[in-house]
Amino acid sequence: DGGITQSPKYLFRKEGQNVTLSCEQNLNHDAMYWYRQDPGQGLRLIYYSQIVNDFQKGDIAEGYSVSREKKESFPLTVTSAQKNPTAFYLCASRLAPGNTGELFFGEGSRLTVL
Amino acid sequence: RKEVEQDPGPFNVPEGATVAFNCTYSNSASQSFFWYRQDCRKEPKLLMSVYSSGNEDGRFTAQLNRASQYISLLIRDSKLSDSATYLCVVPFQGAQKLVFGQGTRLTINP
Repeated sequence: DGGITQSPKYLFRKEGQNVTLSCEQNLNHDAMYWYRQDPGQGLRLIYYSQIVNDFQKGDIAEGYSVSREKKESFPLTVTSAQKNPTAFYLCASRLAPGNTGELFFGEGSRLTVL
Repeated sequence: RKEVEQDPGPFNVPEGATVAFNCTYSNSASQSFFWYRQDCRKEPKLLMSVYSSGNEDGRFTAQLNRASQYISLLIRDSKLSDSATYLCVVPFQGAQKLVFGQGTRLTINP
């Protein structure tokens, strides 16, 4: 079945460590997105990518980095520079940037910094 | 002004009631909009798309008011299973950037 796979589902990290969250899609979508959600809050955009080897900062990109070397993969690295990284991270994809299609989501990754 | 704003609620309504909530947006160029439903600790799932003046799907009706720059979601004959957080999504920057509202929490009481 086509979909988006995020891993790991749960992750614990010590302060000062970088961690990379995986996002893979087999929907043949061009556009991919990373959002962060804090308890009781909406989703805030971290980074998005419209095509391979290109990505743009969202509203809260500081302390995060991404790459888009392959169409199906859009990993997110949470660096030690991110001051408050404990959150629910959601990856999403869309058929093509600028079209009217919906976002499809992975099941999310919960990161806890100890 | 925030790009997308929603009343966070919570809305507590009895089963069978009709409930409506709005989402205002700042970008007058936005063309297509979405309502997503999110259950506790789960990923959001698409509820409805809104491309023109409105859309209806069973008990759910979404409407778009371009002049006042808001979209609304109406739920009729509410069920216990409608309890969730409802998120609106608005496109910016030529629909390349999708911005979420903070969500409206709805609880349907028996």
